[in-house]
Amino acid sequence: SAVISQKPSRDICQRGTSLTIQCQVDSQVTMMFWYRQQPGQSLTLIATANQGSEATYESGFVIDKFPISRPNLTFSTLTVSNMSPEDSSIYLCSVDSSRQGRYNYGYTFGSGTRLTVV
Amino acid sequence: GNSVTQMEGPVTLSEEAFLTINCTYTATGYPSLFWYVQYPGEGLQLLLKATKADDKGSNKGFEATYRKETTSFHLEKGSVQVSDSAVYFCAVEGAGNMLTFGGGTRLMVKP
Repeated sequence: SAVISQKPSRDICQRGTSLTIQCQVDSQVTMMFWYRQQPGQSLTLIATANQGSEATYESGFVIDKFPISRPNLTFSTLTVSNMSPEDSSIYLCSVDSSRQGRYNYGYTFGSGTRLTVV
Repeated sequence: GNSVTQMEGPVTLSEEAFLTINCTYTATGYPSLFWYVQYPGEGLQLLLKATKADDKGSNKGFEATYRKETTSFHLEKGSVQVSDSAVYFCAVEGAGNMLTFGGGTRLMVKP
């Protein structure tokens, strides 16, 4: 399965600023996913990013707040814009790298970015 | 859309006890099912998976069977260790290849 390098691993940011999170995959993948895990909560999908097209955002998430880039098949960035303390979460990227036909044998996750907004 | 319901934690067990974490799902068709584990301070790791009805996923002594008739994918382990202390997430694959996660169940194993 793919290996994902995600950075930064953690950051403390001032409210009103922006942070860009990067994910680099060691193989080409069609789809990349960005998730948010709020403190003590489960994971919520923010958006799906395909190379060469606009990201698809889930309900409650908008492009102005979470712009995503997907310049090629091995890289993606997520920016958290105009941050507030409510954005303090772990952000994770994920790829679907183990699909064989119609069966999916597993998704791989980055190690996460722990963001604290003060 | 899909949904996943897990038993709420925390689940506290003594070492060598039997573990069951219940997971039920709603989804159309025959989605792949997963259990992920998150150890303290770490990211998510795939624990096991099942891709079709009656499949049994297994890894590190953990098992889960894909039960289509009851839409369940309960996680079991016969003898837990302190090192199994973590948060466990059940997940179902949905349309667009996205994962829907359950709320997570924190397991605490005491020596």
